[in-house]
Amino acid sequence: NAGVTQTPKFQVLKTGQSMTLQCAQDMNHNSMYWYRQDPGMGLRLIYYSASEGTTDKGEVPNGYNVSRLNKREFSLRLESAAPSQTSVYFCASSAGQGMSQPQHFGDGTRLSIL
Amino acid sequence: AQSVTQLGSHVSVSEGALVLLRCNYSSSVPPYLFWYVQYPNQGLQLLLKYTSAATLVKGINGFEAEFKKSETSFHLTKPSAHMSDAAEYFCAVSASDTGRRALTFGSGTRLQVQP
Repeated sequence: NAGVTQTPKFQVLKTGQSMTLQCAQDMNHNSMYWYRQDPGMGLRLIYYSASEGTTDKGEVPNGYNVSRLNKREFSLRLESAAPSQTSVYFCASSAGQGMSQPQHFGDGTRLSIL
Repeated sequence: AQSVTQLGSHVSVSEGALVLLRCNYSSSVPPYLFWYVQYPNQGLQLLLKYTSAATLVKGINGFEAEFKKSETSFHLTKPSAHMSDAAEYFCAVSASDTGRRALTFGSGTRLQVQP
C-alpha cells in the first residue's frame, strides 16, 4: 500500500547547491506531477508528465528540471538552489490523462534553502 | 483559464456544528471539481469529486458538496463536525481549456474544530 513515495522527507541546502527530489509510484499510473506548496498559495504545478517519455511545464517551472525515468519514477532537480525555492514539494500521480482522474499524493519533501 | 477561489482562509466551528467551506471556480468549459483534505505533515487525500454525473456529490468521512453551475460554486459541507475533521481543505478544478491535464488549486481553508 505504498502509493506515492517521496524521498527525502526533509532537506536543508545552501544557496547554489543542487539536489534531486525522487518520486516513485506503484499504482501503474500513467501521469505524474510535481507541485510546490507555499503558505496561503495552495499548490502550484511545477512540471507534469502525461505519460512515460513526455514532460511539460506547469505554472512555475523556472529553476527546475524533471526526468520521467520510467513509468514508476519522476524526479525533480534543482540545479542551483535559491532561497525562493524553500517550500514543501509534493509529487502526485493519476491513472490516466482524463480530466476527471483524481490525483494521489505523496507525503511531501520539506526543503529549506539557506 | 481556470481558477479557484476559496473564501475564508480559516474557519472555526464547534464540535457537532455544521461545516461549510466555500469554493467558487472560473472555467470557460465544463469543469471537473475536487475537494482534498490535508492533515499536518501529510499529503493531500481526495475527499470527493464532481464529474458531471450528479450535482450532489458524497465523499468520505461524511462530507458532501453540491455543484451549482449558476453560482459557479462547489461548496463543501458536513452536518456535524468532529474533532478529527480539523485539517486544511483544498478545492481544485480541472478543465480542458488550457490543454494542460493538471489541477488548479485554491489557496486552502484551515478548519478548526472547537470542543
